[in-house]
Amino acid sequence: GAGVSQTPSNKVTEKGKYVELRCDPISGHTALYWYRQSLGQGPEFLIYFQGTGAADDSGLPNDRFFAVRPEGSVSTLKIQRTERGDSAVYLCASSLTSPTGELFFGEGSRLTVL
Amino acid sequence: AQSVSQHNHHVILSEAASLELGCNYSYGGTVNLFWYVQYPGQHLQLLLKYFSGDPLVKGIKGFEAEFIKSKFSFNLRKPSVQWSDTAEYFCAVTGSGNTGKLIFGQGTTLQVKP
Repeated sequence: GAGVSQTPSNKVTEKGKYVELRCDPISGHTALYWYRQSLGQGPEFLIYFQGTGAADDSGLPNDRFFAVRPEGSVSTLKIQRTERGDSAVYLCASSLTSPTGELFFGEGSRLTVL
Repeated sequence: AQSVSQHNHHVILSEAASLELGCNYSYGGTVNLFWYVQYPGQHLQLLLKYFSGDPLVKGIKGFEAEFIKSKFSFNLRKPSVQWSDTAEYFCAVTGSGNTGKLIFGQGTTLQVKP
């Protein structure tokens, strides 16, 4: 596609439920990133994939968060036992291989945990 | 700790006024610096970037930024703003060898009155 695509755009769930957020990067981009943006804050790094492997997952807040990219294209961010504090906009970005550092962002998935 | 500070959280200007948004960073070593913009209802997009060379960089839509290493600053400027510049602006930094893990500031909301 023309840009980074994220689904769903909005997700409302109850505390304790499991959630999956999907990201479809720009075709040909080997690097993929997940960020989280809370209200009134800038995006916060979660994880970075180069191809199929997680090159840096140091931003994942705890073991309830997990992300995969099995074929080096689409990625899924998985959140187990959601908590109200997980409510945020989850942003996905992709880029050509380093080192340009220019990230192309999707419009985000807004997660609300009740 | 690595961080980015944006001094102005909300700026209101009239059309044709000059703009300067402050950005200071704390990061060890060689840095790459970015300004991203998010127009209402749209995704984050790159405005301009600094990797090396001339510390005065020019971006899209008449924006420019100056890297002052001694002040750890990367302020964004535009001589004459337009109503269409109304948006949220984010400054970000990463190390030269770590281009995917951007550290963002809190953002500055710019409102331009026609």
